[in-house]
Amino acid sequence: NAGVTQTPKFQVLKTGQSMTLQCAQDMNHEYMSWYRQDPGMGLRLIHYSVGAGITDQGEVPNGYNVSRSTTEDFPLRLLSAAPSQTSVYFCASGLAGAMGTGELFFGEGSRLTVL
Amino acid sequence: AQSVTQPDIHITVSEGASLELRCNYSYGATPYLFWYVQSPGQGLQLLLKYFSGDTLVQGIKGFEAEFKRSQSSFNLRKPSVHWSDAAEYFCAVSSNTGKLIFGQGTTLQVKP
Repeated sequence: NAGVTQTPKFQVLKTGQSMTLQCAQDMNHEYMSWYRQDPGMGLRLIHYSVGAGITDQGEVPNGYNVSRSTTEDFPLRLLSAAPSQTSVYFCASGLAGAMGTGELFFGEGSRLTVL
Repeated sequence: AQSVTQPDIHITVSEGASLELRCNYSYGATPYLFWYVQSPGQGLQLLLKYFSGDTLVQGIKGFEAEFKRSQSSFNLRKPSVHWSDAAEYFCAVSSNTGKLIFGQGTTLQVKP
């Protein structure tokens, strides 16, 4: 009954450091995505994937990389962290039609602070 | 471009009072509309959705929402609010590219 699991829940980085936020889902969802949540701005889509080996950019992709080697996992990489990337990050997954229906299941979030 | 506006950033209601959270959208075709709720420290949970058909949709936790095409609105309502309803509420629309676009969110505070 795990659903969508994100790790770590909290992370502090220094400017220029790299890290990977992990996301795993056990619901066999084809669609996975990453959002960032900032005060007053709602959730903004960073990257998404409609299946293993397929990824695409969302609204705010700059500074982030993703890959989808398996159906279950969708890691988000920050290659050179910047203070502007301080945010709460959410991974979400859904069925194949999720791109058109919007029924997503969310992880609990990863709070990232870049100093 | 598709967009969602939630005019109220913060709303406070007394426990037992009725609630209405506003949502306006901009979308060229028939939209898929959603309300999600986020409890403190948690991810988002789907409350209800509208795809087509009956414009009044029922969701979980006693919430309902009404789609009004003429007003481009999809307001969320609850007849009697409970203290456990305190959370942040997000309205969202699926764009023509399939991506889910969120509003800025409305924080609900419930007074005892």
